[in-house]
Amino acid sequence: AQSVTQPDIHITVSEGASLELRCNYSYGATPYLFWYVQSPGQGLQLLLKYFSGDTLVQGIKGFEAEFKRSQSSFNLRKPSVHWSDAAEYFCAVGETGGSYIPTFGRGTSLIVHP
Amino acid sequence: DAGVIQSPRHEVTEMGQEVTLRCKPISGHNSLFWYRQTMMRGLELLIYFNNNVPIDDSGMPEDRFSAKMPNASFSTLKIQPSEPRDSAVYFCASSLSRGLRALHFGNGTRLTVT
Repeated sequence: AQSVTQPDIHITVSEGASLELRCNYSYGATPYLFWYVQSPGQGLQLLLKYFSGDTLVQGIKGFEAEFKRSQSSFNLRKPSVHWSDAAEYFCAVGETGGSYIPTFGRGTSLIVHP
Repeated sequence: DAGVIQSPRHEVTEMGQEVTLRCKPISGHNSLFWYRQTMMRGLELLIYFNNNVPIDDSGMPEDRFSAKMPNASFSTLKIQPSEPRDSAVYFCASSLSRGLRALHFGNGTRLTVT
């Protein structure tokens, strides 16, 4: 079964600084990978997804993520963080065979200082 | 599209009472998921449906929990009797049943059992 690890429970950055949120997965085959964002009081919203092809994927709100098979990682990045990016971020991995149901990580809380 | 609609947004009830949470998925989506989110356990998949049929309910914590999907546009999650440890945010999500299963989440129901 697949699993996802988000090593950082909280990340604090200053507005305008760059951001990288880490995600490591465990899965035998090539996975489907996702990043979701959850604002307070809201449900999760899809930021971006990876299935195949270019390992650098672009998402909404200026986010991007890079799939690195050798490191089993799918880190999320943004070059310049805005105060409105403060939220909880979830990485998820889905099976490429079978149900495709994604498994979610525990999330990383992003705090943005002005 | 209005997105996934959940009701109520907040529910406060006393231990032992029956609680019913409701969900309307996105029109055209034929997979529906119920998740529970807590600080201790993160985001847990409780059950999911394909074409109104329950496929995997292994995440349902115990017999006090039941879920139904009588048609493609409506699902319920019922807890009877409720207990304080059921306090959590319950999310409904829907997706197409094929492909990358990018889930679309509702805004959740915050349940408090006193």
